[in-house]
Amino acid sequence: ETGVTQSPTHLIKTRGQQVTLRCSSQSGHNTVSWYQQALGQGPQFIFQYYREEENGRGNFPPRFSGLQFPNYSSELNVNALELDDSALYLCASSQGLTVREETQYFGPGTRLLVL
Amino acid sequence: AQSVAQPEDQVNVAEGNPLTVKCTYSVSGNPYLFWYVQYPNRGLQFLLKYITGDNLVKGSYGFEAEFNKSQTSFHLKKPSALVSDSALYFCAVRDPTNAGNMLTFGGGTRLMVKP
Repeated sequence: ETGVTQSPTHLIKTRGQQVTLRCSSQSGHNTVSWYQQALGQGPQFIFQYYREEENGRGNFPPRFSGLQFPNYSSELNVNALELDDSALYLCASSQGLTVREETQYFGPGTRLLVL
Repeated sequence: AQSVAQPEDQVNVAEGNPLTVKCTYSVSGNPYLFWYVQYPNRGLQFLLKYITGDNLVKGSYGFEAEFNKSQTSFHLKKPSALVSDSALYFCAVRDPTNAGNMLTFGGGTRLMVKP
């Protein structure tokens, strides 16, 4: 098991609502990346935070936003939920961008169902 | 743009036999390559990575992978499969010339090891 934790484990929302997912990074890691994994697909990069600043974003609309806190934990916020947002949301932590060979370690994920 | 292809949706192998899970990639620079495994209702677990050096990389649980630059491949291998190896396997690539360290994943290959 990695030291990356995510909450909640499961969540059910209705279309149009807003959701906040949380991630605690592994000790010693200052970079958090978020991925969306739709059913039967590989994870897709949403965005990354390094030392509380967004550092890279994938092909996701602005209603997907995030935060990183001074303790390097992170939140993913999704506004105006759509049915297609139903997926497993994965958080990954790593040591930082200065270590280019570094490995991303994933948490167990939050499964979001939008009805 | 970077991309990964896993040409087989599923690989079936008998316990004790060797296994291979295929992966090909496309990046503009020299790639960083990763293999992750996902068990049901779990996050991704890191298996191994290739950064530079020896083309044969050894990882966790007896897995290894061979980097072939001319064929742009990074196939995952194990000499003797176990039933407990049955899971979903993902290949991922990162282009180190990019500013961030976004991972691009393949679609995954389901490995079924039969007793």
